Amino acid sequence: NAGVTQTPKFQVLKTGQSMTLQCAQDMNHEYMSWYRQDPGMGLRLIHYSVGAGITDQGEVPNGYNVSRSTTEDFPLRLLSAAPSQTSVYFCASSSVGLGTEAFFGQGTRLTVV
Amino acid sequence: GDSVTQMEGPVTLSEEAFLTINCTYTATGYPSLFWYVQYPGEGLQLLLKATKADDKGSNKGFEATYRKETTSFHLEKGSVQVSDSAVYFCAPRFNKFYFGSGTKLNVKP
Repeated sequence: NAGVTQTPKFQVLKTGQSMTLQCAQDMNHEYMSWYRQDPGMGLRLIHYSVGAGITDQGEVPNGYNVSRSTTEDFPLRLLSAAPSQTSVYFCASSSVGLGTEAFFGQGTRLTVV
Repeated sequence: GDSVTQMEGPVTLSEEAFLTINCTYTATGYPSLFWYVQYPGEGLQLLLKATKADDKGSNKGFEATYRKETTSFHLEKGSVQVSDSAVYFCAPRFNKFYFGSGTKLNVKP
């Protein structure tokens, strides 16, 4: 029972580099989302998707792209990394029903130098 | 718009003390309400939930009641343990989840 799998767990990037954070779930969930967690800021929604081919912006989308070509995968792309994107990133998935819980991955700790 | 406000931390308690972490939300509709817990170095995991007014969610000695009149979902535990030390997040779900800023709980032996 894998649940939500995020890779990598840790990453160091240089300013200007690009990379993709991977997220996969095996629960056939329609809803997937990406958050960043910064000290004292809680979780902030970056992008989310309610199904394959459908994505939308959250509250802090700038500098990030997403796509949803399959139900299982929801990668997050950093186009040109900046030190302000140093954070811990979490992927989550859930069914679309209002009363259903979100399941979280273990997180990716990203440092941009 | 929809939002959530959560008690700021950190909260430091002695073992066996009573815990309350306040959470209120503003909403145009009726969300489902969740509490999540995050242990050091881990992702968030569901602690408890309530999906309609007056529902009480409970798990591991923690409880929270969905109060529609006061738009609140306060987390309580009668006797905390050192192992409860973690960060707690209140999260109403409208269509998306909205997460509070998190409350760090430190329990001293």
